[in-house]
Amino acid sequence: AQTVTQSQPEMSVQEAETVTLSCTYDTSESDYYLFWYKQPPSRQMILVIRQEAYKQQNATENRFSVNFQKAAKSFSLKISDSQLGDAAMYFCAYRSAFRSGGGADGLTFGKGTHLIIQP
Amino acid sequence: KAGVTQTPRYLIKTRGQQVTLSCSPISGHRSVSWYQQTPGQGLQFLFEYFSETQRNKGNFPGRFSGRQFSNSRSEMNVSTLELGDSALYLCASSGGGATYNEQFFGPGTRLTVL
Repeated sequence: AQTVTQSQPEMSVQEAETVTLSCTYDTSESDYYLFWYKQPPSRQMILVIRQEAYKQQNATENRFSVNFQKAAKSFSLKISDSQLGDAAMYFCAYRSAFRSGGGADGLTFGKGTHLIIQP
Repeated sequence: KAGVTQTPRYLIKTRGQQVTLSCSPISGHRSVSWYQQTPGQGLQFLFEYFSETQRNKGNFPGRFSGRQFSNSRSEMNVSTLELGDSALYLCASSGGGATYNEQFFGPGTRLTVL
């Protein structure tokens, strides 16, 4: 079974600064997907960014980028120019690749990192 | 497009009762997954439905069941409720093909068992 570990229960950053959230995972599979989700206090889970394991290029979405190190099984999220609206719980998630006829397992989540933005 | 909707948003039940939660996926999405979120266990996968068939199941007792209708709407049922079933239940939908692995979540149903 796959596991996802987020070692930082809470992180704090000054507004406009850059912060990096850590995530490591354990798997014996070679084909999979990794995600970062954001869950603000309103509780709606929002997909921030995704990464396919077979792609070497790190994914980027505006101020959000990842550092994907497949050999090290590391998947960190960098948030540049932090804004007050970035305050939320951030979850790292893993999903096995789709298997023909069998779908894919559900997402495996880490415990989350609570990100605080200091004005 | 409208997002994933879940009803009801809040629910209070007593031990031993049963409950049914509903989820309407994003239009065109055929896959619906359910997750349980608690402070202690975090987010855990319950099951996934695709074209009215349960495709995958997490490690939950048989009291947790679900179904999917021909319009892709899904329901989740929990029978003989226990105090430990108090949680936020999240539904997520995804499309087919290249977007299958990208799940979009609803706002959740907060279930409290007394």
